[in-house]
Amino acid sequence: EDKVVQSPLSLVVHEGDTVTLNCSYEVTNFRSLLWYKQEKKAPTFLFMLTSSGIEKKSGRLSSILDKKELFSILNITATQTGDSAIYLCASHGGGADGLTFGKGTHLIIQP
Amino acid sequence: DAGVIQSPRHEVTEMGQEVTLRCKPISGHNSLFWYRQTMMRGLELLIYFNNNVPIDDSGMPEDRFSAKMPNASFSTLKIQPSEPRDSAVYFCASRRVGGWTEAFFGQGTRLTVV
Repeated sequence: EDKVVQSPLSLVVHEGDTVTLNCSYEVTNFRSLLWYKQEKKAPTFLFMLTSSGIEKKSGRLSSILDKKELFSILNITATQTGDSAIYLCASHGGGADGLTFGKGTHLIIQP
Repeated sequence: DAGVIQSPRHEVTEMGQEVTLRCKPISGHNSLFWYRQTMMRGLELLIYFNNNVPIDDSGMPEDRFSAKMPNASFSTLKIQPSEPRDSAVYFCASRRVGGWTEAFFGQGTRLTVV
């Protein structure tokens, strides 16, 4: 059974701190790993990673994939209160080419 | 593009009633997913379709749940009879099958069964 495990489950930091969110996966026929941000409503797409060692970057957010060790990290530097959200990691692949999500990391940024 | 459209946005129903959730995927997307999200279990895949055909329904919790996709622009998720433990937010998402493309989510239906 495909599995995605995220850690920590929740994290509280102060504005300006840097955070690292972790995602490990076990999936057959791996195709890609995706990160989403969920605020009050629907998850919104952040990154898709398909190759090891290539960092994807968008402003203060960056992510990297390690296909040998089967994990990915999402970094957020100089955090702001608007970064408070649930961050979801999903693996794309599996026998039926589905998208399997982890339980998410609930990130709270305190002013 | 209007994005993935789900209806209703909120549904409150009594235990035992039938509930039907609706989804219109993004035009041109041929893969559609139904997810359920709760605090305890996170985002769980219930079923997904490729080209209107159900590919994996192993996440459907029980026979009370059924999903259909009669055409490329419409899908339903039905719960009959509903139970309080079905209370959750139900998301529909769509993507283009094949290649490396992300899935786009609808705004969700918040279901409360009392």
